[in-house]
Amino acid sequence: AQKITQTQPGMFVQEKEAVTLDCTYDTSDQSYGLFWYKQPSSGEMIFLIYQGSYDEQNATEGRYSLNFQKARKSANLVISASQLGDSAMYFCAMSSTAGSYQLTFGKGTKLSVIP
Amino acid sequence: KAGVTQTPRYLIKTRGQQVTLSCSPISGHRSVSWYQQTPGQGLQFLFEYFSETQRNKGNFPGRFSGRQFSNSRSEMNVSTLELGDSALYLCASSPSTGGIRDTQYFGPGTRLTVL
Repeated sequence: AQKITQTQPGMFVQEKEAVTLDCTYDTSDQSYGLFWYKQPSSGEMIFLIYQGSYDEQNATEGRYSLNFQKARKSANLVISASQLGDSAMYFCAMSSTAGSYQLTFGKGTKLSVIP
Repeated sequence: KAGVTQTPRYLIKTRGQQVTLSCSPISGHRSVSWYQQTPGQGLQFLFEYFSETQRNKGNFPGRFSGRQFSNSRSEMNVSTLELGDSALYLCASSPSTGGIRDTQYFGPGTRLTVL
């Protein structure tokens, strides 16, 4: 069974500062994908970034980067130069090897950006 | 491309009633997944459809059912509603090109309240 753990229920960050949101995972699969989603108060889940288990380089998408440490089973999201619009819930999720067609989500971290 | 659309956005029902939620995927996406989000349980996978076939189902009672049409649009139905069914129901679509890299894109959700 897969499991995603996000240990930070809530975090605060000053505007324009960088912030790291933690995610650890547990799986027996050799091949898996890791995703981060953002959920504003409106409810829609917005895809941010993806990292494959065999990708050698950390993924980056604009101000988002993923600090992937396979041996430690961690996939932390780094947001650089935080903006007020970054205030939202952030979810880490995992896909397994082809066949299960589902994402397993963590409980999420609520990020609040302070002006 | 237009994103995933879900209708209705809000629903209020009473216990014992049934409800049908609708989801239109991104054009060209053939896989549709459904998730239930509650404050207590977080995001839980309901089921996934591809080419009108259910490929995977989460651990939910038989009151929860779904289907997919030939144009990839999907509906989910909940019969004999219970108070605990109050939740945000999220639909996601993906190209389903196969494997762990398949990214799911979510709709805005349907917020169901059961009184």
